[in-house]
Amino acid sequence: TQLLEQSPQFLSIQEGENLTVYCNSSSVFSSLQWYRQEPGEGPVLLVTVVTGGEVKKLKRLTFQFGDARKDSSLHITAAQPGDTGLYLCAGPYNTGKLIFGQGTTLQVKP
Amino acid sequence: GAVVSQHPSRVICKSGTSVKIECRSLDFQATTMFWYRQFPKQSLMLMATSNEGSKATYEQGVEKDKFLINHASLTLSTLTVTSAHPEDSSFYICSAGLAGAGETQYFGPGTRLLVL
Repeated sequence: TQLLEQSPQFLSIQEGENLTVYCNSSSVFSSLQWYRQEPGEGPVLLVTVVTGGEVKKLKRLTFQFGDARKDSSLHITAAQPGDTGLYLCAGPYNTGKLIFGQGTTLQVKP
Repeated sequence: GAVVSQHPSRVICKSGTSVKIECRSLDFQATTMFWYRQFPKQSLMLMATSNEGSKATYEQGVEKDKFLINHASLTLSTLTVTSAHPEDSSFYICSAGLAGAGETQYFGPGTRLLVL
């Protein structure tokens, strides 16, 4: 069974701080996706990383896919209150299905 | 972009009643639709996969007679929670896969179910 372990599960920081969220697995994934979800809403896709070692940037968010395609990280620079939410990594398995990590709840205090 | 809607957005029902949740792909035909359940402060757990015109495939531990899924067309899938109980209270989210889009799923906004 493929599993995705996310850490930390909860993170409370002050506005302006930097943070990194990790998504690890013992299995190789063809790609990994990162989502952000706000309370009462569905998850919204932020990025998909496909190539081992790939780095993608989305404004203040930097996503990296591990060389072996078993792990990924999300780094946020100068976090803002608007970044508050649940961050989820997900990987495909069994023809189209997605398995999700446990999620990281981020709270950015003004 | 691909838009998925869910209806209703929230529903409150009495224990023992059945509740139907609709999932629609608004601007594309979805070859596959997925149903997830999410408890507070937890991640999404896949319940079942449905393909148009065929029976849904349920994940281990999900009761198919409890959670009835009908995928009548390429734009509509429904999830019916039968004889709902308070422990079925949760956030139900559907997603739709687009042919040719690989592993990308487009998520609906979710349905909050509260069973009293």
